[in-house]
Amino acid sequence: EAQVTQNPRYLITVTGKKLTVTCSQNMNHEYMSWYRQDPGLGLRQIYYSMNVEVTDKGDVPEGYKVSRKEKRNFPLILESPSPNQTSLYFCASSPLDRANTGELFFGEGSRLTVL
Amino acid sequence: LAKTTQPISMDSYEGQEVNITCSHNNIATNDYITWYQQFPSQGPRFIIQGYKTKVTNEVASLFIPADRKSSTLSLPRVSLSDTAVYYCLPLTGTGANNLFFGTGTRLTVIP
Repeated sequence: EAQVTQNPRYLITVTGKKLTVTCSQNMNHEYMSWYRQDPGLGLRQIYYSMNVEVTDKGDVPEGYKVSRKEKRNFPLILESPSPNQTSLYFCASSPLDRANTGELFFGEGSRLTVL
Repeated sequence: LAKTTQPISMDSYEGQEVNITCSHNNIATNDYITWYQQFPSQGPRFIIQGYKTKVTNEVASLFIPADRKSSTLSLPRVSLSDTAVYYCLPLTGTGANNLFFGTGTRLTVIP
């Protein structure tokens, strides 16, 4: 089944404890991206990647890192999480030509709470 | 940068047509506007996209006026299962670089 898989789906952690949210897609998509969703603010892009080893900042990259060593994986790294990073996170992927029209395939989301 | 605004919420009775409008600054002539639907505990799901006039698929229609300062998602004869949050995504001239979603419209369908 074609899908975008995120792990963990739910996580409660404490300030400063490094964590990684994984994202994997099995559709051979070039484009992958991360978003956070907060009440009243909608979806805001954190980072995106056009292909392997090509990443760039989105609208709200502060406090996050990403890597794209393989085409299928695009992990989101929080080196030192803070409470303001408590949010619902979504990973999305797409063939590059469809991403350039705004068509994305989203994962199911990862709800992160930082205490 | 296209500043995008949508109504925060809308209510509708079953069987009615619902129109959700997204307002955005002028975007380039060939830039796409895409709409997504999101149910609780799920990721957004693509509904429809277009860049001019009218597009229709099995789920919805999308109307884009000539000035392209807005777009309207039209859901015909809504049912309870259409209760969801709807997001518009107007592209800003740089393709998939820097995607800025609208803040979403929560549609509640009432029996």
